[in-house]
Amino acid sequence: SQKIEQNSEALNIQEGKTATLTCNYTNYSPAYLQWYRQDPGRGPVFLLLIRENEKEKRKERLKVTFDTTLKQSLFHITASQPADSATYLCALLTGGGNKLTFGTGTQLKVEL
Amino acid sequence: DAGVIQSPRHEVTEMGQEVTLRCKPISGHDYLFWYRQTMMRGLELLIYFNNNVPIDDSGMPEDRFSAKMPNASFSTLKIQPSEPRDSAVYFCASSPGPMPQHFGDGTRLSIL
Repeated sequence: SQKIEQNSEALNIQEGKTATLTCNYTNYSPAYLQWYRQDPGRGPVFLLLIRENEKEKRKERLKVTFDTTLKQSLFHITASQPADSATYLCALLTGGGNKLTFGTGTQLKVEL
Repeated sequence: DAGVIQSPRHEVTEMGQEVTLRCKPISGHDYLFWYRQTMMRGLELLIYFNNNVPIDDSGMPEDRFSAKMPNASFSTLKIQPSEPRDSAVYFCASSPGPMPQHFGDGTRLSIL
């Protein structure tokens, strides 16, 4: 069966450290993988998109890697800040390229 | 620019009642998506439209659910009759292409 798995346990890190979140998938062959941020009581907000032929993508303090052999994406936040605390969702473009399927998300807490 | 606007933000109603959720997408966006988010199942796609036409409703759980998009600036998701297991946060999203998607802040629905 198709699955998108993210760490269900919350990730707690200290301010200034690098946070690394994992997204693993099975039985998908996505052309694109995306990361979204969701704050309590709000809708998800798009952060980054990476294509299957890209190994790495950066945007400011964010970095995403995409390994189609391992079927895994890693999401890094460097120099983390308390304002980075949120739930982070990965999403694959499926269904002929028009449907997003989301992982269940990982909650990140950055402590002072 | 206004984002995706959903109404109401909160809805509490009794089992058996009709519920109508509303969405105004971002102007110029050709795609509109309805999602449901619960703790158990995460964020699930219910239905999406392209140019006001329903393209894929395979995620709609039952015939009690229906969605319409009468014009490019308005969509509704209706549940009739509602049941307690329909309680969830319902999100609307729009996009100029299949991605990235811009989400509203959701309607928190409670069916008593």
